[in-house]
Amino acid sequence: AQTVTQSQPEMSVQEAETVTLSCTYDTSESDYYLFWYKQPPSRQMILVIRQEAYKQQNATENRFSVNFQKAAKSFSLKISDSQLGDAAMYFCAYTIQRGSRLTFGEGTQLTVNP
Amino acid sequence: GAVVSQHPSWVICKSGTSVKIECRSLDFQATTMFWYRQFPKQSLMLMATSNEGSKATYEQGVEKDKFLINHASLTLSTLTVTSAHPEDSSFYICSARDGERESGEQYFGPGTRLTVT
Repeated sequence: AQTVTQSQPEMSVQEAETVTLSCTYDTSESDYYLFWYKQPPSRQMILVIRQEAYKQQNATENRFSVNFQKAAKSFSLKISDSQLGDAAMYFCAYTIQRGSRLTFGEGTQLTVNP
Repeated sequence: GAVVSQHPSWVICKSGTSVKIECRSLDFQATTMFWYRQFPKQSLMLMATSNEGSKATYEQGVEKDKFLINHASLTLSTLTVTSAHPEDSSFYICSARDGERESGEQYFGPGTRLTVT
């Protein structure tokens, strides 16, 4: 069975600094999709970034980028120039096929200190 | 685009009563919808997957007779918590898949907080 593990329950970062959130997963599939979702205090799930496993290039969305290591089954999220609005719970998620069920990690609560 | 709404956003009900939560895709047709449950400071737990016009597929351990899911149209799915008890108090989130988009992306509703007294 596919599993997603986030080993950092809590992280903190100073405003304008960079922080990296870790995620590892276990799968026997070769084609799959990985996501990072943000859940702010409003609890609305927001897609931050996505990565297709067949793409070697790491995905980037403005201040957010990933380090995708397929062989190591690792998918970390780097947030650059952290802003107060980045404070939220971040979930790593996996799916074998876009639009299919998502398997979520336990989440990492990110605090941004002014 | 790709907006999913949920109604109500919060509800309080008495033990033994039933509560219905609606999930609507506002600007796309949702061929598949998912229902999640989330406890405070925990991850999302998938309860069931529903496809328009067919019966929902429930995850192991989820009581299908207690959590009734209906997906009668391409824009609406409902979750009914029957004979609610305090342990059913939780945050319920739906997501919907746009079947016409190649990405097959899932879009999440804002969630419904259920409190059973």
